[in-house]
Amino acid sequence: QKEVEQNSGPLSVPEGAIASLNCTYSDRGSQSFFWYRQYSGKSPELIMSIYSNGDKEDGRFTAQLNKASQYVSLLIRDSQPSDSATYLCAASNAGNNRKLIWGLGTSLAVNP
Amino acid sequence: SAVISQKPSRDICQRGTSLTIQCQVDSQVTMMFWYRQQPGQSLTLIATANQGSEATYESGFVIDKFPISRPNLTFSTLTVSNMSPEDSSIYLCSVQTGDTEAFFGQGTRLTVV
Repeated sequence: QKEVEQNSGPLSVPEGAIASLNCTYSDRGSQSFFWYRQYSGKSPELIMSIYSNGDKEDGRFTAQLNKASQYVSLLIRDSQPSDSATYLCAASNAGNNRKLIWGLGTSLAVNP
Repeated sequence: SAVISQKPSRDICQRGTSLTIQCQVDSQVTMMFWYRQQPGQSLTLIATANQGSEATYESGFVIDKFPISRPNLTFSTLTVSNMSPEDSSIYLCSVQTGDTEAFFGQGTRLTVV
């Protein structure tokens, strides 16, 4: 059973702090990894995609991938109350008809 | 990216009836995906819809309950048939770009009473 696991939280951080969200996956054939943000009552929206080992930065967001450890993380610097949402991690294996395997999501609360 | 228009955004339906959800994409895509998201839960894939062929359903989902149409490369519908309160959920259509990045419609919040 291919799985993506996340700590459900809630993760609570003060405004301005770094929020660290973690995700592990079981399918070693996974090649593409994604972080989505979902506000309550809204659809998921793509924040970051990462395909290679190492770090990928986009503004206040940094995605980190370690394929040897089957681990993906998302760091949010200078967290803002508007970052409060559920963050979903997803993985894809091109050999699996491009289907995404989704984690259950981590709830993040940024406190003013 | 892709812009996806999904409707209706919400509906309240009587048990035993059916609801058809429509999804329109602003570009041609090979595959469209239909998900269900129950309150506080993650996304569960219902089926993958390819143009010109029957949809591929995931374990636990059957065509009689969730018939899907895919008449062209920009449009798909999902019907929730013979609804019961257990079908109350958010239904999402999605497309994926070349790198498998997924984009979603606005979602349909279905309540069955």
